[in-house]
Amino acid sequence: AQKVTQTQTSISVMEKTTVTMDCVYETQDSSYFLFWYKQTASGEIVFLIRQDSYKKENATVGHYSLNFQKPKSSIGLIITATQIEDSAVYFCAMSPIASSSFSKLVFGQGTSLSVVP
Amino acid sequence: EAAVTQSPRNKVAVTGGKVTLSCNQTNNHNNMYWYRQDTGHGLRLIHYSYGAGSTEKGDIPDGYKASRPSQENFSLILELATPSQTSVYFCASGGDAEQFFGPGTRLTVL
Repeated sequence: AQKVTQTQTSISVMEKTTVTMDCVYETQDSSYFLFWYKQTASGEIVFLIRQDSYKKENATVGHYSLNFQKPKSSIGLIITATQIEDSAVYFCAMSPIASSSFSKLVFGQGTSLSVVP
Repeated sequence: EAAVTQSPRNKVAVTGGKVTLSCNQTNNHNNMYWYRQDTGHGLRLIHYSYGAGSTEKGDIPDGYKASRPSQENFSLILELATPSQTSVYFCASGGDAEQFFGPGTRLTVL
C-alpha cells in the first residue's frame, strides 16, 4: 500500500524568502506520479505541480519547484520569493502510473504555511 | 467558469434523513471522485467513477452510495445520514494524472 508522510505540521516564513516543505512516500510501484496541492483559507484545493517518477529533471512551475530525491523517496516543494497569498495548507500526494487511465491519489496530512510581512 | 462545481455548498441535515450531494464537471474527464476531509485524517476517498454508469468503492465507502448518470455529473448519496458523516465533501475530476477539485460542500448532520 502507498503512504505519504508530511512531518512538518506548520511553517512560518518572512515574505520574499524561500521555503521548502518536506514529503516522503512509500510505494511498491515502479512508476508513479507525485503531486503538490494547495488548500487556501476559503477551502479551495488547487493543483500546483507534478513530478513523474521516471523523469530525473525536477519539475518547475512559476515560483514552485520540486526537489525529487528518488533514492530517499522524497519530494520536497520549494517556493521562492514567497508572497502573503502563499499562506495556505500544502498537501503532497501520489498515485501509481497504471496501465489504465485511472489515478487514485493518496494524500499526506498537509503542512500549514504562514507567510508574514 | 469553474470546471468543477458542487451543490449545495452548505447543508444541514437531520439524523436518518437522506442527503444528496451533486457534482458537475466541464473538463470532459472520464474519472470523478468523492472525498471527505476531516481534521486529523486529511482527504479520504469515498467513491469514484471511471465514466458514465460506473461507480467504485474507495477507501471509506460505508454509509455512502454514488451515482454517475452522465460524463458530467457525479452524485454522492447518504441514505440514512448520521452525525459521524458531518464533514466537508470534495468532488474532483481527472484524467490519468492530476485531479481538479470542486469548492467543497460543508455537511452538518444533527
